[in-house]
Amino acid sequence: EDKVVQSPLSLVVHEGDTVTLNCSYEVTNFRSLLWYKQEKKAPTFLFMLTSSGIEKKSGRLSSILDKKELFSILNITATQTGDSAVYLCAVEDTSGTYKYIFGTGTRLKVLA
Amino acid sequence: GAGVSQSPSNKVTEKGKDVELRCDPISGHTALYWYRQSLGQGLEFLIYFQGNSAPDKSGLPSDRFSAERTGGSVSTLTIQRTQQEDSAVYLCASSSPGYAGYTFGSGTRLTVV
Repeated sequence: EDKVVQSPLSLVVHEGDTVTLNCSYEVTNFRSLLWYKQEKKAPTFLFMLTSSGIEKKSGRLSSILDKKELFSILNITATQTGDSAVYLCAVEDTSGTYKYIFGTGTRLKVLA
Repeated sequence: GAGVSQSPSNKVTEKGKDVELRCDPISGHTALYWYRQSLGQGLEFLIYFQGNSAPDKSGLPSDRFSAERTGGSVSTLTIQRTQQEDSAVYLCASSSPGYAGYTFGSGTRLTVV
């Protein structure tokens, strides 16, 4: 059965800390992996990863994919209270129809 | 429209009543998805539309759940005889041809009392 597992489930850090969020997956036919940030209801897009070893970067956030070991990490440096959110990882499986399978997310809380 | 629009944003209903949730995707997005997120859980896939047809309904949890899409645009998710376990945030997302990734709406928070 296809699955996406995120760790840790929750994390509390102080402003300025660096965090690493993990996402491992098992899907039949992988096409892409997405990271989303969810603060209230609507998840907002962060990154899409399709190739191993190529880091995607946006400001203090970066992400990389390892298709051999079947995982991705999301790094946030110099965290701010505005980074507090649930971070969702989703993997596209094309073995059936084109849909994303989501992990349960990592809840990050950044304290001032 | 500029984004994916969902209505209502919040809905409280009595157990046993039927509810309809609406999703208006981004104009030109042919793919539309419904997901459900229960408290503290990840997103659970419900149904996928390509145009007006639904090639994947595998996530609908029971026959009380149904969805349709008309004109390749607006979609309605209907839950009949609601139960307390149906309480969740229902998220709609759409994507354009050739783009792997979704744009989400703000969701409908459904509370069944």
